[in-house]
Parts: sequence; structure tokens; C-alpha cells
Amino acid sequence: DAGVTQSPTHLIKTRGQQVTLRCSPKSGHDTVSWYQQALGQGPQFIFQYYEEEERQRGNFPDRFSGHQFPNYSSELNVNALLLGDSALYLCASSLISGANVLTFGAGSRLTVL
Amino acid sequence: AQSVTQLDSQVPVFEEAPVELRCNYSSSVSVYLFWYVQYPNQGLQLLLKYLSGSTLVESINGFEAEFNKSQTSFHLRKPSVHISDTAEYFCAVSGGYSSASKIIFGSGTRLSIRP
Repeated sequence: DAGVTQSPTHLIKTRGQQVTLRCSPKSGHDTVSWYQQALGQGPQFIFQYYEEEERQRGNFPDRFSGHQFPNYSSELNVNALLLGDSALYLCASSLISGANVLTFGAGSRLTVL
Repeated sequence: AQSVTQLDSQVPVFEEAPVELRCNYSSSVSVYLFWYVQYPNQGLQLLLKYLSGSTLVESINGFEAEFNKSQTSFHLRKPSVHISDTAEYFCAVSGGYSSASKIIFGSGTRLSIRP
């Protein structure tokens, strides 16, 4: 049973560019949450998707957007990249009707130069 | 709103010694508490959780945590650590039982084990 898979694992972009990160949730899960983890910090909640809609959002600017597809997979898009966007981006999946337990992927490490 | 404070950014201990990683939370509603562990170059894994029932919860690898409502704490303990416990540990809180509620993480405590 595959867990949460994320792609790409590493990528390098320059300031002003745009990036798309992808996530496939654990089989049977219907909810996807995205987190940003800067070096030496805890994960910061970006947003959560359920039924193809953004249900909750953390304190992130509109440059951060997402999407959930009918098969529950999800994308995170970041526009106009800044140096401060360099971080590990973690996708976590869960079942909306179940207990609040997240299954995390290994993350996508974004470096902005 | 919920928030989590992990009081120690790093905790060095000798192998087979006991350890306590401290966590305090604030919440204006019902609280559900978690400890996640992150091994080097990996994502986070659930270590243990408090959702209801007994205030003392245990993991399969010897860790335990106690929900203390009066002190708003959820400290993580292990009586004897091993080299393999070297990792970053994150305390987290949620205001809801179901996945509809977001989980907020602390800044983490790096546990380093000395032989």
C-alpha cells in the first residue's frame, strides 16, 4: 500500500519564477494538506484541500495556490518566487471522516537562487 | 486559535539515559495533541497521539506522553534512549477531532544521542 508520494524531490529555481509541486495521497485518503518547513523550523500550515476545494488556509500570501483533482491528488503552485520560499514542502493526507492523523510524504525541497 | 511551544530546541543525552522533551500548548477550544518524529532526510511520522480517554499515551517504541490540562502540557518521555532515537521531534495541536481541523506544529526539538 503506497503511502504519500511527492514529486519532484529536489528542484532549484530563480527569483521570480513559478513552481508546481505534486502530491499523491495515501490510498483511501481524501484530504490533502500542504506544509512549508524552513530549515530548522517546524512545519507551517499552508492550506488544506477536500472535495477539490480549499477548506482552510494558513498565513500565506496569494502567491501560494493549490488544486485538488478528482482522484484526490493535489498540486501546490508558488508564483513570483522569493529567496524566502526556499524550504521543504510537505504534503500530508488524511481521511476527512476519520481521526485527525496525518500521513506525510518525504517532501519536495525547493531552493530559490 | 491554537499554538504550541517546544521549550528546548536541542536535547543531548547519553545512550540508555532517560529523556524528556517538553511541550506546552494554548487553545481556546477542545484540544487534541500529537508528537511526530522526523528522521534525517525524511518526512514526519506520527509517534503518538492524545484524542480522548487516558491522559497517558504510549508509542510502540517505548515513548510516552501525558496530557496535563492544568499545566497545558504534553511532554514526551522515554526511560532509556537508543542511538536510533536520534531525530527531530515535533509537538502538534489541533482544535478538532477530525481531519477537517488543521494541525499546528511546534518548532521542534532535536534529540541527539551520545554513545
